[in-house]
Amino acid sequence: QLQLQESGPGLVKPSETLSLTCTVSGGSISSSSYYWGWIRQPPGKGLEWIGSIYYSGSTYYNPSLKSRVTISVDTSKNQFSLKLSSVTAADTAVYYCGRHHKSGYDLNWFDPWGQGTLVTVSS
Amino acid sequence: DIQMTQSPSSLSASVGDRVTITCRASQSISSYLNWYQQKPGKAPKLLIYAASSLQSGVPSRFSGSGSGTDFTLTISSLQPEDFATYYCQQSYSTPSTFGQGTRLDIK
Repeated sequence: QLQLQESGPGLVKPSETLSLTCTVSGGSISSSSYYWGWIRQPPGKGLEWIGSIYYSGSTYYNPSLKSRVTISVDTSKNQFSLKLSSVTAADTAVYYCGRHHKSGYDLNWFDPWGQGTLVTVSS
Repeated sequence: DIQMTQSPSSLSASVGDRVTITCRASQSISSYLNWYQQKPGKAPKLLIYAASSLQSGVPSRFSGSGSGTDFTLTISSLQPEDFATYYCQQSYSTPSTFGQGTRLDIK
C-alpha cells in the first residue's frame, strides 16, 4: 500500500525559505503513470494546488506561486521536495503531498495523500 | 484560472438522509471533476474521479454525476461516518483548482 509522509520544519521565519520533503513508501516514485504533487490548506480554509513533478524532473507549477516555488525529485531516495521562498504569514498552512494521477498529458486527481504537516510562518 | 463554486457551503442532515452537493465550474471542464472527503485533522480522501467513477474501497452510497459545468455528489443514505467536509477539484486545465468546500453536519 502506497504511503506518503511529509517532513520538515514546523516554523519558518518571514522572508525565509520553507523546505519540505515527501517520502514515498510501498511503491516507486519512478512510475510512468504518476506525477507527485504538493497541495496546501491554510487553517480553516480550502485547498490550493502548489505544483507537481514527474520522476524525470518535469514540473508544473501554479502560476500564483511559480515565482517562489521549486519542486525537485530524488529517485534514489524515493522522495520529492518543495521549496517556497520569501514566505509571509499568508503561507501558513497545512502542506500535503500526494500522488497526482496522469493520463497522457493530463494531470488528474490526487490519491493517496500524506497526512499533512503544519508550517507556521512567524518570527 | 477556472473557478469552482460549491453549494451549499454548509448543510445539516440526519443519518439516513439523501444528500446532494453541487459543484459548478466557471467554464466547461468536460468530465474532469473529482470529489474528496475531508474529516477534521485529516488529509482529503478521494471519493469520485472523472465525475462519476467510484474510487476503489469507497462505499457505493456515494455517487457522482455531471459534465460540462455542473456536477453533483450524492450520498444516498447518510451514515455517521459521512459527516465531513467535501471538496470538488477540476483537473481540466492547469492550475488545478478546488471548490471552497461543503461542510456536512449532523442535524
